[in-house]
Amino acid sequence: EAGVVQSPRYKIIEKKQPVAFWCNPISGHNTLYWYLQNLGQGPELLIRYENEEAVDDSQLPKDRFSAERLKGVDSTLKIQPAELGDSAVYLCASSLRGQDTGELFFGEGSRLTVL
Amino acid sequence: LAKTTQPISMDSYEGQEVNITCSHNNIATNDYITWYQQFPSQGPRFIIQGYKTKVTNEVASLFIPADRKSSTLSLPRVSLSDTAVYYCLVGEREYGNKLVFGAGTILRVKS
Repeated sequence: EAGVVQSPRYKIIEKKQPVAFWCNPISGHNTLYWYLQNLGQGPELLIRYENEEAVDDSQLPKDRFSAERLKGVDSTLKIQPAELGDSAVYLCASSLRGQDTGELFFGEGSRLTVL
Repeated sequence: LAKTTQPISMDSYEGQEVNITCSHNNIATNDYITWYQQFPSQGPRFIIQGYKTKVTNEVASLFIPADRKSSTLSLPRVSLSDTAVYYCLVGEREYGNKLVFGAGTILRVKS
C-alpha cells in the first residue's frame, strides 16, 4: 500500500514568491493534516481536514497561507508571498477516523528554503 | 492539552537497552500515550501507544505506572539504525489534531 506522497521534496525560492505543496494521502484516509517543522523542533499543526472540510485551521497564518482539499482526497498548501521565516519542512499526514490508535501516517515532507 | 517533558538527548551503544522517560503530570482520563520516531529527512512514524501498565510490540515496549504521570519507552538492543528523534505525545486516541509534538529526544546510538 502506498504511503502519503508529497511533492516537491525540495523547493528553493526568493522571498515574496509564491510556492505550493501537494499531498496525496493514503487511500481511504478521511483525515488529512498539514504540519510545519522547523529545524530542531517537533511538527506543529497548521490545518486539519475531515474529508473536504477544514475543521481546525486555527494555527494557519491566513494572511499568506492557504490550503484546499478538493473532493476530500489530495490537498494543496500554498504560501503567497513567502517570507524568510517560512523556511521549514512542510509535512502532510493522514489518518483513518475510527482506527484503534488514531495513528498518523506522515509523508517525507517538502523542504522549503526562502532566500 | 497535557504537556510532556522528555530529555533533550541520550547516547547509547549498539546492543544496549535504551529507556526514554516522558513526564506528563497533567494527563487526562481519556488520554493515551503515544510515541513516534523520526529519522532525518523523513516524517515521524508511529511506534507504540498505551493507556496503562505495559504494552509491547515488535519494536518497543511502553511502561506506564499506575498514576500515569510518566511513561517509559524501552528499545531493546538498539542498533545504529535506531538513531533518531523520539517524541512522546499525550492526547485522545482518535484525535490526531490534539496531539502536540514537543522537541523530542535525540537518541544517538554509537558503535
